[in-house]
Amino acid sequence: DGGITQSPKYLFRKEGQNVTLSCEQNLNHDAMYWYRQDPGQGLRLIYYSQIVNDFQKGDIAEGYSVSREKKESFPLTVTSAQKNPTAFYLCASSNLTAGNTIYFGEGSWLTVV
Amino acid sequence: AQSVSQHNHHVILSEAASLELGCNYSYGGTVNLFWYVQYPGQHLQLLLKYFSGDPLVKGIKGFEAEFIKSKFSFNLRKPSVQWSDTAEYFCAVTPNYGGATNKLIFGTGTLLAVQP
Repeated sequence: DGGITQSPKYLFRKEGQNVTLSCEQNLNHDAMYWYRQDPGQGLRLIYYSQIVNDFQKGDIAEGYSVSREKKESFPLTVTSAQKNPTAFYLCASSNLTAGNTIYFGEGSWLTVV
Repeated sequence: AQSVSQHNHHVILSEAASLELGCNYSYGGTVNLFWYVQYPGQHLQLLLKYFSGDPLVKGIKGFEAEFIKSKFSFNLRKPSVQWSDTAEYFCAVTPNYGGATNKLIFGTGTLLAVQP
């Protein structure tokens, strides 16, 4: 079954701990993205990658890090430097040809206590 | 900077009522436009998209949207809503840099509640 798989779906962490969210896609898409969704603020872009071993900061990259060692994988680390990490995180992917849709995973809920 | 405005944050309708959700964007160049829907407990799904051609775009589940370039708008419409349309709706834009799609810019979303 093709698609984007995010794990874990729910995660609780103590303040000060780093946490890594997994995102895997088997759609053979070139580009992958991480968004953060907060109530009333829509989705905001954290990082994106258009090719393996390369990635770019989005609008709210501070306190986050990513890697793109494989085409199908784009893990996001929420570091202790992120001031307000509790949120719903969405991974997405797309091809980079004209008019292509960006597809989303089911999301990961991170709660920091 | 590019931005997307959705004017209605929360809309409540009765079944069979007509729906129109507003979306305006700020970008002077060519754009690709999208409406995504997020049903309760589910992931974001594409409702429809505009890339080029006919500015009236038809999507899934009876939704349509009209791109009006002069108004920088891409409003979503449905003639008769159902209870199952209860969801959050997001308008999104990506500047069209030579055709490549990336970096979706989202609006803040509109929560639609349809009363049976």
